[in-house]
Amino acid sequence: ETGVTQTPRHLVMGMTNKKSLKCEQHLGHNAMYWYKQSAKKPLELMFVYNFKEQTENNSVPSRFSPECPNSSHLFLHLHTLQPEDSALYLCASSQDPGITDTQYFGPGTRLTVL
Amino acid sequence: SQQGEEDPQALSIQEGENATMNCSYKTSINNLQWYRQNSGRGLVHLILIRSNEREKHSGRLRVTLDTSKKSSSLLITASRAADTASYFCATDQAGTALIFGKGTTLSVSS
Repeated sequence: ETGVTQTPRHLVMGMTNKKSLKCEQHLGHNAMYWYKQSAKKPLELMFVYNFKEQTENNSVPSRFSPECPNSSHLFLHLHTLQPEDSALYLCASSQDPGITDTQYFGPGTRLTVL
Repeated sequence: SQQGEEDPQALSIQEGENATMNCSYKTSINNLQWYRQNSGRGLVHLILIRSNEREKHSGRLRVTLDTSKKSSSLLITASRAADTASYFCATDQAGTALIFGKGTTLSVSS
């Protein structure tokens, strides 16, 4: 285990639903990340939080809304998603916000939008 | 795009053989990292090589970096069935975040 947990592991939702993904890290890290991994595409960085402050929003549609209440927890709130949003959503953390730092990933949430 | 590109996209070998994967990138970097991902799981960090290093070892892994060619290679020696996974390189080209490639899918059969 990497010390980063994600729940739920699998999620099926309709386009009108509202759901949230949760990520928790037990490593005492200061930076947390959300990535989207779609089939046959590179891992896409969505959001970066450093010390609870959002420092990166990689042109993500507003139907994805992140929340970072503290350095250990990160949420991704989902509403009115599209079928093309179906993917594996990965959370990661690193000790420092520096880009050279090793990232530790959670197991991911497999999201299916019907 | 700025991401690293792994080559080949897929690789199938027998147990005991060596597996070599390559990564190319486009702009200068501070470091390059290799990650592994088992099917449907999160990524696991394998090794980090800095721009002033040319080679690095970790167990059965050997990573090389050629900054003049903007390329890196990952060698897995004496492969095992448990090495079956996707392997990604990640670079800090963008300046603010790691950029991952599409990955090489390695299949090791016994």
